[in-house]
Amino acid sequence: QKEVEQNSGPLSVPEGAIASLNCTYSDRGSQSFFWYRQYSGKSPELIMSIYSNGDKEDGRFTAQLNKASQYVSLLIRDSQPSDSATYLCALYNNNDMRFGAGTRLTVKP
Amino acid sequence: DAGVIQSPRHEVTEMGQEVTLRCKPISGHNSLFWYRQTMMRGLELLIYFNNNVPIDDSGMPEDRFSAKMPNASFSTLKIQPSEPRDSAVYFCASSYTGINEQFFGPGTRLTVL
Repeated sequence: QKEVEQNSGPLSVPEGAIASLNCTYSDRGSQSFFWYRQYSGKSPELIMSIYSNGDKEDGRFTAQLNKASQYVSLLIRDSQPSDSATYLCALYNNNDMRFGAGTRLTVKP
Repeated sequence: DAGVIQSPRHEVTEMGQEVTLRCKPISGHNSLFWYRQTMMRGLELLIYFNNNVPIDDSGMPEDRFSAKMPNASFSTLKIQPSEPRDSAVYFCASSYTGINEQFFGPGTRLTVL
């Protein structure tokens, strides 16, 4: 089992819809969780961090963390074509940062 | 702020040659990270410095890889000798404190022929 599991996609949603990205992980000791966005040929860009169970909202983005079920998700409301990118889930534990393989999101106009 | 600066942006070299990648973190950040990204293995943490001291280098693949951080504003990742399987994009990232919200540089695309 991979340590950080993401559906590789592609996930395709129409403009204005909600995009839901999911990530599961195996390390129960994971302390911090992050979502990065990576456009093709560019570097990862941090868009959300979440440290405790529940929801965290920032603009059109909402991160959800459930440590008991070992999953973290990212919701993107009112999706825009500019949101088309690969979204990387990452988690931190004990001086180590682990990234998922990423989910490719396409938002169609 | 200029963000994390990496050089060179592209490097093409031949197998057996020494490669040195450079990174300047964001001013005021005291943690620096080197990552490697490939299609096969995704994004992997190679080494992590805090206050110029290596904290965890367990991700460094082999003894051919070495990293230094002589001061708070400069770090190098060296591969000697380089091999074709080292071809990847190498990212440097920095953060204010520890492995938290990291800011990535533009990356160095390394091709070893």
